[in-house]
Amino acid sequence: NAGVTQTPKFRILKIGQSMTLQCTQDMNHNYMYWYRQDPGMGLKLIYYSVGAGITDKGEVPNGYNVSRSTTEDFPLRLELAAPSQTSVYFCASSYSPTSGIYNEQFFGPGTRLTVL
Amino acid sequence: GENVEQHPSTLSVQEGDSAVIKCTYSDSASNYFPWYKQELGKGPQLIIDIRSNVGEKKDQRIAVTLNKTAKHFSLHITETQPEDSAVYFCAASTGSSASKIIFGSGTRLSIRP
Repeated sequence: NAGVTQTPKFRILKIGQSMTLQCTQDMNHNYMYWYRQDPGMGLKLIYYSVGAGITDKGEVPNGYNVSRSTTEDFPLRLELAAPSQTSVYFCASSYSPTSGIYNEQFFGPGTRLTVL
Repeated sequence: GENVEQHPSTLSVQEGDSAVIKCTYSDSASNYFPWYKQELGKGPQLIIDIRSNVGEKKDQRIAVTLNKTAKHFSLHITETQPEDSAVYFCAASTGSSASKIIFGSGTRLSIRP
C-alpha cells in the first residue's frame, strides 16, 4: 500500500492564480481531511469528507474548495491564490466504522505552497 | 468549540533523560486524545493515543496520562534517544460525527548528545 499520496511536493504561485492539490489514498478509508500548517503552528482543518459525495467545512475553509467523487481521491482547489495561503498542506485519511468512533489519521507527505 | 493548548513550545533534554509534554483541552465531551510525531519534511505520524475510559497507556518508552477531571493529558518519553528529536503534537476529539480532531500548537523536542 502506498498509503496517502500528495502531488505536487512543491509549488510557487503568483497572486490570483489557481491550482489543485491532489490527494489519493489506497486504504479504502471513508474519512478524508485537508489541513494547513503554518510555520511553528499546529495543523488547522480546512475541509473534510465522510464519504464520496459528502464534504464539509473545517476551521479555515475560506479561499478553498473540495470535491470527493470517489473514495480514493480528495482534491483541494485554490481559486484565487493569496499570500496568506502560503503554507504546507497535508491530506489525511482514516477509517471509522461508526459515527463518533475515532481512529488513527494517516497523513500524506505534504505540499509546500508559496504564493508571491 | 474545542481548544487545545500545548506546553512547552520547545524542549531540550539530555540523551537518556525523560521528556514530558503537557496539553489541556476545553471540551468536556472530548473522548479521544492522540499524539503525533512529525519529523522534518514529513507528515505527522501517530505514536500513541488514549481514550477517555483509561487513565494511562504505555508503549515501550512512551506513555500518555489523562486526567479528565482537570482536562489535561501528558506525553512522557523515557530514556530519550537522538531519533526522538522531532515536533510532537497533541490533539483532542471534537465530539462531532466526522472523527475530527483539534491539534495543539506543537512542541519541538531536541535531544542533546
